[in-house]
Amino acid sequence: GEDVEQSLFLSVREGDSSVINCTYTDSSSTYLYWYKQEPGAGLQLLTYIFSNMDMKQDQRLTVLLNKKDKHLSLRIADTQTGDSAIYFCAESDSGNTPLVFGKGTRLSVIA
Amino acid sequence: DAGVTQSPTHLIKTRGQQVTLRCSPKSGHDTVSWYQQALGQGPQFIFQYYEEEERQRGNFPDRFSGHQFPNYSSELNVNALLLGDSALYLCAVMGGSSYNEQFFGPGTRLTVL
Repeated sequence: GEDVEQSLFLSVREGDSSVINCTYTDSSSTYLYWYKQEPGAGLQLLTYIFSNMDMKQDQRLTVLLNKKDKHLSLRIADTQTGDSAIYFCAESDSGNTPLVFGKGTRLSVIA
Repeated sequence: DAGVTQSPTHLIKTRGQQVTLRCSPKSGHDTVSWYQQALGQGPQFIFQYYEEEERQRGNFPDRFSGHQFPNYSSELNVNALLLGDSALYLCAVMGGSSYNEQFFGPGTRLTVL
């Protein structure tokens, strides 16, 4: 079945770049998403990338996709304490099919 | 901000009881999906509603049922609650110009004792 894997923890210093990695197994994944979840809150959609792209940049966020290796990464430039949260990678066969999530990566930013 | 509201915010029930959770999308978001997020896990897809019909369903038992109303709002019902049903229940909406994006509500935290 479909599976999405992420490392569970990442700790970075304020001002450094953070890179959160994700691998997926479903070859038919068309859309790949990054969501952010702060304590006690729902999920905030940060960005997504279509499978025919290999990079997408949105302000401090850069998404890289290696479709051959089924590897997705999210880079956060100039990481701030407000970026501390859990980041979920998710994939979908098409834009309106169910999302399959990883277990999330807890990002801790040290001041 | 997708303007999705969910109610209630928190709920405590006992085993065997039944619960109804509600989700209200803002105008234009006609597709509603429900997810269950257990502690320390990613969300798991329960089902999706479009045009008042269940369109897709995940690997959840029949104790989980839903409904969508003409105004696109939706309910999730869970019967015969088990301790393992304790989780954050999230609804996600899409539609209008955003069919590739699912926007989540704040969730309902259900605790089953």
